[in-house]
Amino acid sequence: QQQVKQSPQSLIVQKGGISIINCAYENTAFDYFPWYQQFPGKGPALLIAIRPDVSEKKEGRFTISFNKSAKQFSLHIMDSQPGDSATYFCAARGGRRDYKLSFGAGTTVTVRA
Amino acid sequence: SAVISQKPSRDICQRGTSLTIQCQVDSQVTMMFWYRQQPGQSLTLIATANQGSEATYESGFVIDKFPISRPNLTFSTLTVSNMSPEDSSIYLCSVVGTSGASLGQFFGPGTRLTVL
Repeated sequence: QQQVKQSPQSLIVQKGGISIINCAYENTAFDYFPWYQQFPGKGPALLIAIRPDVSEKKEGRFTISFNKSAKQFSLHIMDSQPGDSATYFCAARGGRRDYKLSFGAGTTVTVRA
Repeated sequence: SAVISQKPSRDICQRGTSLTIQCQVDSQVTMMFWYRQQPGQSLTLIATANQGSEATYESGFVIDKFPISRPNLTFSTLTVSNMSPEDSSIYLCSVVGTSGASLGQFFGPGTRLTVL
């Protein structure tokens, strides 16, 4: 049973465009929501993370939007670049003293020059 | 963030053999985990590596198949025993950071295992 549902499975965006990846969860005990970026042959790299008491967090071109009532969160990649082409995973962790991550299925993003 | 290294980075093994994967962290960490990523798939937690005690396994994973050691706060090993082609995956060590309020979770580079 997948605790975090991620969509779309893949997307193609033009250079300079916006990539949007959505995730939904059911477990209200989750209290930490990270996004990971993974390039082929590499381990996942922590990109950005948010806690449910914040509705939005921005770091450079990457923004997380969080809707606690809908139990949804999304990653926006602004001004997408070819170097952003990778697989992105959303995840959820929690609650208190539970550091195990539940991952979404992943989204492969391709940015065309 | 912690710097995590894994050995080996990749290996090709024969069916029925065992492989031990090492994970080394450059600082002491409390929480350390082992994940599996099957080809083209997401990550699945195998177990929590507990320092000085037996690992805590997730449903579907057993100690006889995936024995884990964690002798101290910077090192752990995962053994994949009696391998079959279905064990071909990337095995990832993960730690929870101990500095700052984020307690971010970080992954090693992974060990790519192919079983023939």
